[in-house]
Amino acid sequence: GQNIDQPTEMTATEGAIVQINCTYQTSGFNGLFWYQQHAGEAPTFLSYNVLDGLEEKGRFSSFLSRSKGYSYLLLKELQMKDSASYLCAALDSNYQLIWGAGTKLIIKP
Amino acid sequence: GAVVSQHPSRVICKSGTSVKIECRSLDFQATTMFWYRQFPKQSLMLMATSNEGSKATYEQGVEKDKFLINHASLTLSTLTVTSAHPEDSSFYICSARDANSGEIAGYTFGSGTRLTVV
Repeated sequence: GQNIDQPTEMTATEGAIVQINCTYQTSGFNGLFWYQQHAGEAPTFLSYNVLDGLEEKGRFSSFLSRSKGYSYLLLKELQMKDSASYLCAALDSNYQLIWGAGTKLIIKP
Repeated sequence: GAVVSQHPSRVICKSGTSVKIECRSLDFQATTMFWYRQFPKQSLMLMATSNEGSKATYEQGVEKDKFLINHASLTLSTLTVTSAHPEDSSFYICSARDANSGEIAGYTFGSGTRLTVV
């Protein structure tokens, strides 16, 4: 079956760095997305990886290892507004998004 | 960038009534529309996928006669929750994809609709 695993909740300190991991098992693979979702709002796109390696975009970076079925989202210089859920989603061979349950990130002052 | 407008953002309705949710792609052609439901503290659950001009494909466990999806044009898709009950209260989100754009990352979300059935 298809499956996405990510931690349920993480806590970090303002100004610090946090890494949110995601492992996936899908029927075929056409890339991996990370989305940010604040409570009561729709997800917003953060990153898309289809090739191995690290993609950096400002304070956020995303890494992919296709051979390991693994990705992580790295958030630097954490700000209070980064408190949100972070959703990992893999695109399968039918171009359907398979969603993880999301990681709730709590930022403490 | 691509924008999907979803309305209404919030709706409260009485049990037994129907509610229609609209999603419009504002600057691109939504060849495929995905409808999701999200319960509190849970991830997105895909309800159905619709391609313009054809019948929607529903996920297992989703009643097609209860959740009517219409995707009659390349810019508009609607989800109608018929005979709503309190257990249908949820956050409904649409996501549109332009398959002709060649951009894999073209999954644009609407802003979501909070449905409360009383």
